[in-house]
Amino acid sequence: ETGVTQSPTHLIKTRGQQVTLRCSSQSGHNTVSWYQQALGQGPQFIFQYYREEENGRGNFPPRFSGLQFPNYSSELNVNALELDDSALYLCASSSGAREDTQYFGPGTRLTVL
Amino acid sequence: QQQVKQSPQSLIVQKGGISIINCAYENTAFDYFPWYQQFPGKGPALLIAIRPDVSEKKEGRFTISFNKSAKQFSLHIMDSQPGDSATYFCAARISGSARQLTFGSGTQLTVLP
Repeated sequence: ETGVTQSPTHLIKTRGQQVTLRCSSQSGHNTVSWYQQALGQGPQFIFQYYREEENGRGNFPPRFSGLQFPNYSSELNVNALELDDSALYLCASSSGAREDTQYFGPGTRLTVL
Repeated sequence: QQQVKQSPQSLIVQKGGISIINCAYENTAFDYFPWYQQFPGKGPALLIAIRPDVSEKKEGRFTISFNKSAKQFSLHIMDSQPGDSATYFCAARISGSARQLTFGSGTQLTVLP
């Protein structure tokens, strides 16, 4: 059991809407990374938060944004949803930005209609 | 641009057989190569990992073979069991502050009883 939790489990939105996904990191972990996993593909890195600041970003547009809170939980916000945003969104936590092992949560399945 | 190429896309093995999954990379800045196992409805879970200064690492029935000159690495699952049926992802981490993982496209392994 990794201890990383995500909510909600599933979500259905329509094109143009905004969505917020939440992640609680494993106890003692101060680093959270977000990944997008399209159906049948490997996860793609969106961004990482370390001690409440963005610490790296993948090739995703600015409408993907995030936050990390003092308790190290995190949110992923996506504005102006597009059909291609339909995917499993994974959160991974680690005990430091330079730590090897990332522990993944079960993900949030987002469907955009 | 896909930086980690994984093959095969799917693999069917008899119980007790050896499962072999291969990955190749281009970016020599990668410094850490983990393999993740993902069951349906779950997030990826770290299986085994290797650094480029080691040519082989074994943990139980799982072995990573690493060929730095060829920029290739592979996962061998010995004595494959039906419970090993899952999707396997290789990944590579580029050196840098974010320690982001770049994943392969995944291999769906089915172990027949």
